[in-house]
Amino acid sequence: DIQMTQSPSSLSASVGDRVTISCRASQSVTSYLNWYQHIPGKSPRLLISAASSLQSGVPSRFSGSGSGTDFTLTISNLQPEDFATYYCHQSLDIPYSFGQGTKLEIK
Amino acid sequence: QVQLQESGPGLVRPSGTLSLTCVVSGGSISNRNWWNWVRQSPGKGLEWMGDISHSGSANYNPSLKSRVSISVDKAKNLVSLRLNSVTVADTAVYYCARGNTSDWDYYMDVWGKGIPVTVSS
Repeated sequence: DIQMTQSPSSLSASVGDRVTISCRASQSVTSYLNWYQHIPGKSPRLLISAASSLQSGVPSRFSGSGSGTDFTLTISNLQPEDFATYYCHQSLDIPYSFGQGTKLEIK
Repeated sequence: QVQLQESGPGLVRPSGTLSLTCVVSGGSISNRNWWNWVRQSPGKGLEWMGDISHSGSANYNPSLKSRVSISVDKAKNLVSLRLNSVTVADTAVYYCARGNTSDWDYYMDVWGKGIPVTVSS
C-alpha cells in the first residue's frame, strides 16, 4: 500500500499570509495526487487534481506542484474561509489513500 | 449539477451490519464515473473504503478485509454500502463521492454531505 505523509500536522497563520503544506508518498504516484479542503460539518471539497490542476471555482490563491513522491499545496493571501483541514490523496494504486491531514488554524 | 445524498440508520449494534445508500440526483449513475465510499472516524482523517463502476466492478480497501460490499442500482440511481461485523471502531461519518477520471488522474469531485453512524449497544 502507498503511505501518504503530510507535514506539518498543524499550522497557525494569519489572514494575508502565504502557507505551504507538503505531502510525501512512500512510492511514486506520478501525478495521481489530489488535494481536498475539509471544514468540520461540511463535505470535503476537491481543490486540485493531477497535482497542479485547479478545479473550477477554486480561487487562484490555491496552487499545487510536484510529481513522483513529493508534492506541495500553497495558499497565498490566506482568507478567513481558508482555515480548515487539508488532505492529500493518491489515486494511482488501490487502496487509494489520504494523508493524515494538516489543520490550518488562525494565529 | 450532480448531487449525492447518503441515508441510513444512525445507530448500529456491535456485530451487526451497517447499511447505507447514496442517491445520485442531477445525473445518471451510468455515466463514466466511479462511486466511492469514504469515512472519517472521530478525531481521525479520511479513509477510502472502496468504489464501484456503473457496471458493478468494485474495488475495496483490504484493511476492511471481507466485511465491506458496495453495489449499484441503476434503476434507482443509487449506490449502496454494506459493512458487516461492525465494532465501535466503525463509528464514523460516512461519505459517498463521485470518482472522475482524466488521462492522468482520478479524483473525487462531488461529495455527499455525509451521514454519521454510531456503533453502540
